[in-house]
Amino acid sequence: DIQMTQSPSSLSASVGDRVTITCRASQNIITYLHWYQQKPGKAPKLLIYAASNLQTGVPSRFSGSGSGTQFTLTISSLQPEDFATYYCQQSYSPLRTFGQGTRVEVK
Amino acid sequence: EVQLVESGGGLVKPGGSLRLSCAASGIPVNDYSMNWVRQAPGKGLEWIASISSGSTVIYYADSVKGRFTISRDNARNSLSLQMNSLRVEDTAVYYCAREIAVSRSDYWGQGTLVTVSS
Repeated sequence: DIQMTQSPSSLSASVGDRVTITCRASQNIITYLHWYQQKPGKAPKLLIYAASNLQTGVPSRFSGSGSGTQFTLTISSLQPEDFATYYCQQSYSPLRTFGQGTRVEVK
Repeated sequence: EVQLVESGGGLVKPGGSLRLSCAASGIPVNDYSMNWVRQAPGKGLEWIASISSGSTVIYYADSVKGRFTISRDNARNSLSLQMNSLRVEDTAVYYCAREIAVSRSDYWGQGTLVTVSS
């Protein structure tokens, strides 16, 4: 199975901060990498697909980059509604796998 | 309204069985692969099963292979997960999700809680 490793596991930030989360795959997944946001008690929400494409309706402060084994999710200016947990997921292998998640907390 | 709605969760004893359902409304699912993803209390997301639009291609995570069976009924716009030989570690919220181009999951249900406990 392809292992997905996110860093950091958690971070503390303030409104207006630039936030960067990294996701590393255990093998080359080209750009079959997606990012989801999850708030407590809610279903995950798709933010970025195929590494760098913004899902319809998602604010432009979210962006993604990377290919191969290294990927990044960036929030350019953190907003109050962005405090949540973020997951990366690979779909290169039919056995889909998620990263362990990155919790973004209020500083 | 566009939604996926899971049902069938509940409390079951170890070794027992449960069948989850996912009903789609307002969105087409028949032409797309569908996934089940679960989340144990306080833990991250775990993909557990997927099924192609025509039910010809099915995959399972090792953690559920041989115990869980995914199926779909395109005539009823629905997805199911038959869970047998349940273990305490299967306790989780179970989500269904639609998978579209480049295999991203764009719509998710609200989840249904399965608790396995004696």
